[in-house]
This record gives sequence, C-alpha cells and structure tokens, in this order.
Amino acid sequence: DTEVTQTPKHLVMGMTNKKSLKCEQHMGHRAMYWYKQKAKKPPELMFVYSYEKLSINESVPSRFSPECPNSSLLNLHLHALQPEDSALYLCASSQGAGLAGPPSYEQYFGPGTRLTVT
Amino acid sequence: GQQVMQIPQYQHVQEGEDFTTYCNSSTTLSNIQWYKQRPGGHPVFLIQLVKSGEVKKQKRLTFQFGEAKKNSSLHITATQTTDVGTYFCAGPLGGANNLFFGTGTRLTVIP
Repeated sequence: DTEVTQTPKHLVMGMTNKKSLKCEQHMGHRAMYWYKQKAKKPPELMFVYSYEKLSINESVPSRFSPECPNSSLLNLHLHALQPEDSALYLCASSQGAGLAGPPSYEQYFGPGTRLTVT
Repeated sequence: GQQVMQIPQYQHVQEGEDFTTYCNSSTTLSNIQWYKQRPGGHPVFLIQLVKSGEVKKQKRLTFQFGEAKKNSSLHITATQTTDVGTYFCAGPLGGANNLFFGTGTRLTVIP
C-alpha cells in the first residue's frame, strides 16, 4: 500500500469554527508532513513530524495546531482561521526524516484537503 | 533566504515537441528532487539526483544536476498529452527532508 489518505476532500468553514484535517499512511513511514499550497504556487512546508515528534515548525501561525497520535496518523487542527488561509492542504510521508543528513527520502503526498474559509 | 527559481513559468508545446524546465537555487544543494503535479492533483515524486553532474533518464525524461549543485534541469523528449502538469524541483532546507519547492513550470501540451 503506497497510498496516503486525507479527509475530508473539501472543507468550508467560518472564521469562528474549529475543524480538523486528517491524514493516514500505512507504509511504515516514520516522517510525516503538512504543506500548504495556494493556487498556482508551490507547496510550502508547514510542519514536520519525525518519529511522532514535531521537529520543525516553519513559523506557522498558532491557529494551526498539528498532532501526531501515532506513526500512521497526522492531524491538523484549525481554529479561528482567516480567509487568506484558504488553500489546498497536503499531507505527505517519507521513509525517514533525514535528520542525520542527505540523501533525502522521496515524499508520498496525499490528495489534499481543499479548504475554504468564509 | 533560500530561493529556488524555475524557468519558464509556463510552457505551451505542440504534441511531439520537446520541453525543458530549468531549476536554479541560490544555495548549493546536497540533492534535488523532481515532482509532477497534474491539474487538480497532488505532487508525485519523479526522481532524486545526488551527485554533482549526475544525469538520469526515465524513458522520455532526462534529469541533470549541475556540476556546482546549484541548478538542475528536466528535459522531456517528444511530449505527449499525458505530460501535462506542473513540474517542481525541490531541495532540502535545513534538515534533509525539509523540502523547499521551486516555483514550478506549468506544461501544456496541445494535441
């Protein structure tokens, strides 16, 4: 199974709502990632989890809160978002986290959650 | 900060023509990866280059990593409609797996 799944596929939320995005992989990968992608732009790294521990936070606003309950699951909790947070949120996983240095590992991306904040 | 630029931003080609996208980094990269994202889809890993001057081929796709490890290219021979999508290069920022994606090149193939 080389698939990363994400739910929901689409989400519309108001600025006062609390919602969560979910990601799951069963490839035994030990690193998982959240990316944000605006239309016609490249994916931007938000969070990296390595062995279920948050290893990097790319200065993401606190209204985004990641959680890694176990090695197969990754959540992104959303609260008090702004309209400019509307984007495609991609989850990815890789075999290792490469913390010891190169080479990097190929990343497997999920289909994404398209988020609209109204 | 680190920048990874790709040119061209857009490319329209007739089916059967060749296509090349160039990736340039402001800093030396330990390795570089290439991804393809179809319209409405998600990035899919194509290849990783590690060695200076490395060249790898996948059927009609040829990937090169520059001698200085600051640039890379992807060349597609005889494009097909299935090649449509945006091609991203990506290099590590900080940790080896903290990928910084290039600006991307959107390829349109006209049948």
